Amino acid sequence: GESVGLHLPTLSVQEGDNSIINCAYSNSASDYFIWYKQESGKGPQFIIDIRSNMDKRQGQRVTVLLNKTVKHLSLQIAATQPGDSAVYFCAEGETGANNLFFGTGTRLTVIP
Amino acid sequence: DSGVTQTPKHLITATGQRVTLRCSPRSGDLSVYWYQQSLDQGLQFLIQYYNGEERAKGNILERFSAQQFPDLHSELNLSSLELGDSALYFCASSVGTGPSYEQYFGPGTRLTVT
Repeated sequence: GESVGLHLPTLSVQEGDNSIINCAYSNSASDYFIWYKQESGKGPQFIIDIRSNMDKRQGQRVTVLLNKTVKHLSLQIAATQPGDSAVYFCAEGETGANNLFFGTGTRLTVIP
Repeated sequence: DSGVTQTPKHLITATGQRVTLRCSPRSGDLSVYWYQQSLDQGLQFLIQYYNGEERAKGNILERFSAQQFPDLHSELNLSSLELGDSALYFCASSVGTGPSYEQYFGPGTRLTVT
């Protein structure tokens, strides 16, 4: 499949290490945040979300942290695997608005 | 497989032409979103429909239009195409409308304008 060759920030990690991907958001009114994973040749896929009344949420091998004071979001992936190699996007939304705004994305490469 | 289908997968056309991209949402989803993903601008929201009605509009050019049909499939029409319109176009669907409803993305249509 094909994928767009985005000029993105990149992160390379060794297999088995933990990964941290960061995102700064812009809208103070945003109250809903989502992380998406986009593999080569595919559309974005939902990973995990968090509401603004929380500062941490955990999923399977993933944790999202939200710091509203500095408008910062991070995605932590534990024990990174080759299948985690992808582009990761954060997205922000606001209750009452229908659309999401996506960040630039970070390309994660896992080194076996 | 997200359950969202998009056709065609690839499209090559010349400047000045018009094309139509098609999206079928997941069964039961009423919302359809269109996004453009280009090299230098990441994923940009274009427009959203919910149950046949336009609900939100993003950075969609006047040369672009969309609609959602009674069977809930959607079409994105791009006219007077320019080289800069070359991009991946994604459709996503969700059950409801609003950011808390998970959006499921299709595989995309790659448009190349020559």
